[in-house]
Amino acid sequence: DIQMTQSPASLSASLGETVTIECRASEDIYNGLAWYQQKPGKSPQLLIYNANSLHTGVPSRFSGSGSGTQYSLKINSLQSEDVASYFCQQYYDYPTFGSGTKLEIK
Amino acid sequence: EVQLVESGGGLVKPGSSLKLSCVASGFTFSSYGMHWIRQAPKKGLEWIALIYYDSSNKYYADSVKGRFTISRDNSKNTLYLEMNSLRSEDTAMYYCAKEWAYWGQGVMVTVSS
Repeated sequence: DIQMTQSPASLSASLGETVTIECRASEDIYNGLAWYQQKPGKSPQLLIYNANSLHTGVPSRFSGSGSGTQYSLKINSLQSEDVASYFCQQYYDYPTFGSGTKLEIK
Repeated sequence: EVQLVESGGGLVKPGSSLKLSCVASGFTFSSYGMHWIRQAPKKGLEWIALIYYDSSNKYYADSVKGRFTISRDNSKNTLYLEMNSLRSEDTAMYYCAKEWAYWGQGVMVTVSS
């Protein structure tokens, strides 16, 4: 199985700030990577697919980048509604997820 | 609008069986592969099974292989997950998903004596 190492586990930032969450795959996943946002009591919502493609309806302050084994999610101009947990997922092989990042407002 | 509605969860004893359903609407169900994913309380996400649009191929995570069976009935727009020999570590919220972009609200399965 491909292991996904996500960091940091938690993050506290101020409104309007830019934050970055990173995922490292145990082998090359050829941009087969998605990012999800999950709010408490809700199902995950797709933000980014194919490493850098914004899913329909997702605000443009979210962006994804990376290649090979290293990927990142950037959130510009942090808003209060961005408080959530974020997960990366590779689907190049049998799907596996990162352990998640809990984002809070400072 | 795509909708996925899971049902069939509950509290069961170790060793028991349970069958989850996921009713789909808002898209041509018979044209898409479908996934089951679970999330243990306060834990991360774990993909557990995939079925192709025509049931020609099915794939499972090692943690459930041989105990869980994914199936579908395209005439009923319904996806299933039959779970046998349930263990405490199967306790989780179970989600069905279409192509990763659409997820149901989840159904809770608790395995406890």
